[in-house]
Amino acid sequence: EAAVTQSPRNKVTVTGGNVTLSCRQTNSHNYMYWYRQDTGHGLRLIHYSYGAGNLQIGDVPDGYKATRTTQEDFFLLLELASPSQTSLYFCASSEGGSSYEQYFGPGTRLTVL
Amino acid sequence: KTQVEQSPQSLVVRQGENCVLQCNYSVTPDNHLRWFKQDTGKGLVSLTVLVHENDKTSNGRYSATLDKDAKHSTLHITATLLDDTATYICVVGDRGSALGRLHFGAGTQLIVIP
Repeated sequence: EAAVTQSPRNKVTVTGGNVTLSCRQTNSHNYMYWYRQDTGHGLRLIHYSYGAGNLQIGDVPDGYKATRTTQEDFFLLLELASPSQTSLYFCASSEGGSSYEQYFGPGTRLTVL
Repeated sequence: KTQVEQSPQSLVVRQGENCVLQCNYSVTPDNHLRWFKQDTGKGLVSLTVLVHENDKTSNGRYSATLDKDAKHSTLHITATLLDDTATYICVVGDRGSALGRLHFGAGTQLIVIP
């Protein structure tokens, strides 16, 4: 069964702090995605990747960096966290592009004070 | 501008009742539409995908329809259970290629009470 894990599950930091969110998938999928989910909005795509070393910009990339170190691991970096980045972050993986089913991780709740 | 609108925003039903969730979208092109279930504090799980004009799908107590002309989809849940309490999210994919994007609705929060 598809498996996407995220860590940490909860994180609290202060404005200006440095945060790294981790995602690992054991599906041998090529594509990995980072989304944020805010109340009243649909999920919004931050960054995605179609393989190790590849990075593509999503729809809301400002203030975020990402790195895909291996096929399994995709990281989201907030180098100067701001309160507007308080959100629920989801990682997902899929075999191909957008027409393929995406498998989601359990989410990381980030609070920036 | 929101391209995927879901209604109602929230819904309370009694266990055993049926319910219908609506999704209207303006995404163009519209390659496919998928319904997800999101339990509180968890990730999204796919329920069904609709691809063709006037598609109908069924997955246990969940059934869905798609009208591409009207850019409208419905998700029917039959004989609801307490475990159906969740947020249901409609997602439209605009292309069938790697260049495509997914457009997410904000979800309908369904609460099933005893």
